[in-house]
Amino acid sequence: DTAVSQTPKYLVTQMGNDKSIKCEQNLGHDTMYWYKQDSKKFLKIMFSYNNKELIINETVPNRFSPKSPDKAHLNLHINSLELGDSAVYFCASSQREALNIQYFGAGTRLSVL
Amino acid sequence: AQSVTQLGSHVSVSEGALVLLRCNYSSSVPPYLFWYVQYPNQGLQLLLKYTTGATLVKGINGFEAEFKKSETSFHLTKPSAHMSDAAEYFCAVSDLRQAAAGGKLIFGQGTELSVKP
Repeated sequence: DTAVSQTPKYLVTQMGNDKSIKCEQNLGHDTMYWYKQDSKKFLKIMFSYNNKELIINETVPNRFSPKSPDKAHLNLHINSLELGDSAVYFCASSQREALNIQYFGAGTRLSVL
Repeated sequence: AQSVTQLGSHVSVSEGALVLLRCNYSSSVPPYLFWYVQYPNQGLQLLLKYTTGATLVKGINGFEAEFKKSETSFHLTKPSAHMSDAAEYFCAVSDLRQAAAGGKLIFGQGTELSVKP
């Protein structure tokens, strides 16, 4: 069973569209994250949620809105997509007491045309 | 603020040779240090971690890393490279406060390891 699963794996869309990426973890963790990996493979945290509460918001444009319906899910909705949003987005999860050991999903490759 | 620098965006070794991937960090508090591996088109997988205690840590697939506070380094090594080790390797830093405050990891820019037959 996949521990952290993201859907879709690939997403190709036009500028200006709105899209969502879903993430689910079955590890029983209480903290979930979204990271963005750019074309140079640089990884940067975007958001962190603990028990459905937003903990970290790293100066991400308002067009990005995470939603956590429960602690096993953290979805990412992006409005008015721009060319610069093209990247690989990774979801991750951890248990707060577990010293920051994060488990990553396989990533969603977003291409904005 | 914490930061991580990985020396060398690309390292190439022959199969059977020593693997050495360099990582230097900056942190004003005792760091937590991690190495992650990313195989093509896959997510990141934890190789090993240092939090406290023994400074030489062993991870999966024969990798190990040594925390050297005086050198602010956490270099990753493997005595003998296999073809299957070819991947992107990321060093990351955090600390106790970050772990309690939401779990922010600061990543280095990654090192691509190629293994020649």
